[in-house]
Amino acid sequence: GAVVSQHPSWVICKSGTSVKIECRSLDFQATTMFWYRQFPKQSLMLMATSNEGSKATYEQGVEKDKFLINHASLTLSTLTVTSAHPEDSSFYICSASGGGGRGSGEAFFGQGTRLTVV
Amino acid sequence: QKEVEQDPGPLSVPEGAIVSLNCTYSNSAFQYFMWYRQYSRKGPELLMYTYSSGNKEDGRFTAQVDKSSKYISLFIRDSQPSDSATYLCAMRGGGADGLTFGKGTHLIIQP
Repeated sequence: GAVVSQHPSWVICKSGTSVKIECRSLDFQATTMFWYRQFPKQSLMLMATSNEGSKATYEQGVEKDKFLINHASLTLSTLTVTSAHPEDSSFYICSASGGGGRGSGEAFFGQGTRLTVV
Repeated sequence: QKEVEQDPGPLSVPEGAIVSLNCTYSNSAFQYFMWYRQYSRKGPELLMYTYSSGNKEDGRFTAQVDKSSKYISLFIRDSQPSDSATYLCAMRGGGADGLTFGKGTHLIIQP
């Protein structure tokens, strides 16, 4: 399958600081990228959808000013958790989907980022 | 009622058995159906991808979709201990919709 690289795989930060997570599609152009959040023993919950060059679309209940998403190119999307709080501690996972060719229709996931806010 | 229902398990079977995992859903707009395998603290890995109704086979894995019943299944033949993981069903409508996931079924294959 297509390769999606997510970095970092884990991060610990102090409360009040910001953390940036990168998601890259390595072998296909990702017209759409998705960001999910997963709490322990829970399923993945979609946070937002981003299309290259457009503003992200956030799911209900997700604060767009807190979770900043940038999808500046067809291979890179970033999620920045601003002014992080302990309740933001979670497993964040990106996925990428292409509009044609490899990755078309299917969604491939990054390895996930475990964020711990202390 | 949640959009996608999936029994969280755990489901424990002996090595070599046939495993049957399934999900039901309520949104008739779903067209694309996927099964992911997720190991602890890792991102989901795509196993099977199916569009609309029908069967799809890939090695030891078979995915079935019955849109009339809003029911999808994943079968694993000759199960191995390495198959022990959480299996998530996921689905979406057309266009660039995000995926809606089931809760995931924790599968344990006993050696």
